[in-house]
Amino acid sequence: GAGVSQSPSNKVTEKGKDVELRCDPISGHTALYWYRQSLGQGLEFLIYFQGNSAPDKSGLPSDRFSAERTGGSVSTLTIQRTQQEDSAVYLCASSLGGRSYNEQFFGPGTRLTVL
Amino acid sequence: GQQLNQSPQSMFIQEGEDVSMNCTSSSIFNTWLWYKQDPGEGPVLLIALYKAGELTSNGRLTAQFGITRKDSFLNISASIPSDVGIYFCAGGGSQGNLIFGKGTKLSVKP
Repeated sequence: GAGVSQSPSNKVTEKGKDVELRCDPISGHTALYWYRQSLGQGLEFLIYFQGNSAPDKSGLPSDRFSAERTGGSVSTLTIQRTQQEDSAVYLCASSLGGRSYNEQFFGPGTRLTVL
Repeated sequence: GQQLNQSPQSMFIQEGEDVSMNCTSSSIFNTWLWYKQDPGEGPVLLIALYKAGELTSNGRLTAQFGITRKDSFLNISASIPSDVGIYFCAGGGSQGNLIFGKGTKLSVKP
């Protein structure tokens, strides 16, 4: 596709359940990022994948959060034992890497609501 | 950690007016970027700046990378109704991830 796609667009879950959020980056983009956006706030960095390098997990808020990227393309963000404070929009972005790594292109996001 | 101070938090525009917003940081950045976000969508990249002092335009939008590398501004000239939305500045370092400001919400004057 032409842009970054994410699924599902909306997810409502009960406290304590696990959720998986998916991101399909732009074809050919080697770098992939996950951010979280709480209501009325800016974006908070979570995790970053670049090629085959070990991911930068420095933004993950707790060990309940994990992400993987299979085959250098699709990524899944997993939140275990969800809490109400996890409610937010989760945004994925990709970039070409190299000198253009900061030019990140975002998907539409997944709105997560934890009841 | 690194933080960006973006101002103003919100502003009202009348069609045809020029708009200005800015971001400052206590840290230096290698890149400054400006994004626009509409409701229910992801941020869309407007302008990317890579050199201190650089002034770049994209249509009616003009942005500058501050000479100290700690600030940037965005100007919108002759605003139109579709300019409403939330504008975010973002600073990029050498680590890959972006640090975002909290946004400037542009609304139409009632």
